[in-house]
Amino acid sequence: AQKVTQAQTEISVVEKEDVTLDCVYETRDTTYYLFWYKQPPSGELVFLIRRNSFDEQNEISGRYSWNFQKSTSSFNFTITASQVVDSAVYFCALIDTGTASKLTFGTGTRLQVTL
Amino acid sequence: NAGVTQTPKFQVLKTGQSMTLQCAQDMNHNSMYWYRQDPGMGLRLIYYSASEGTTDKGEVPNGYNVSRLNKREFSLRLESAAPSQTSVYFCASSLHRDSSYNSPLHFGNGTRLTVT
Repeated sequence: AQKVTQAQTEISVVEKEDVTLDCVYETRDTTYYLFWYKQPPSGELVFLIRRNSFDEQNEISGRYSWNFQKSTSSFNFTITASQVVDSAVYFCALIDTGTASKLTFGTGTRLQVTL
Repeated sequence: NAGVTQTPKFQVLKTGQSMTLQCAQDMNHNSMYWYRQDPGMGLRLIYYSASEGTTDKGEVPNGYNVSRLNKREFSLRLESAAPSQTSVYFCASSLHRDSSYNSPLHFGNGTRLTVT
């Protein structure tokens, strides 16, 4: 069975600090996809990134970067120079080919960025 | 582009009442989903519809029914609401089920349901 663990329930940082959100996953499949979603205080879910299991290249998008390591089954998300607008709940999610219709979410990490 | 539209945004029910949550997407997606979000539990899949005319149970289907009315619309019905169904409900869609891992789910803005 697939599982996603986000051990950090809540993180508080001061603006301009860097912060890393951890995500550890479990799956028996060799083909799978990992996602990060952002849920700002307004409540909607915003897609941030998708990564497939065959592509271990790290990705950077502006202040956001993702570190995918199959050896440790982790897909961590780093925000550089955090801003107040980054305050949100962040969800890591996994889908594999065995359960293609069932995106499994972690429990989320609430990030609070203060001035 | 509206994307995925859910109605209502808020609802309060008394135990035993019934109601239907509506969801519509205008992206010509084939697959649609209903999730519930509870504190400390992330999002859990209730039901999904891989294509028009088909529906399947997700992780937490008990107490719910769904109808894929057409390609655009996927409704979630609570026949006899219980306090345990107090939650935020999200509808989502994706282009294809079999490639849903290859394309992200698009979510609606959610319905906050309280059952007293």
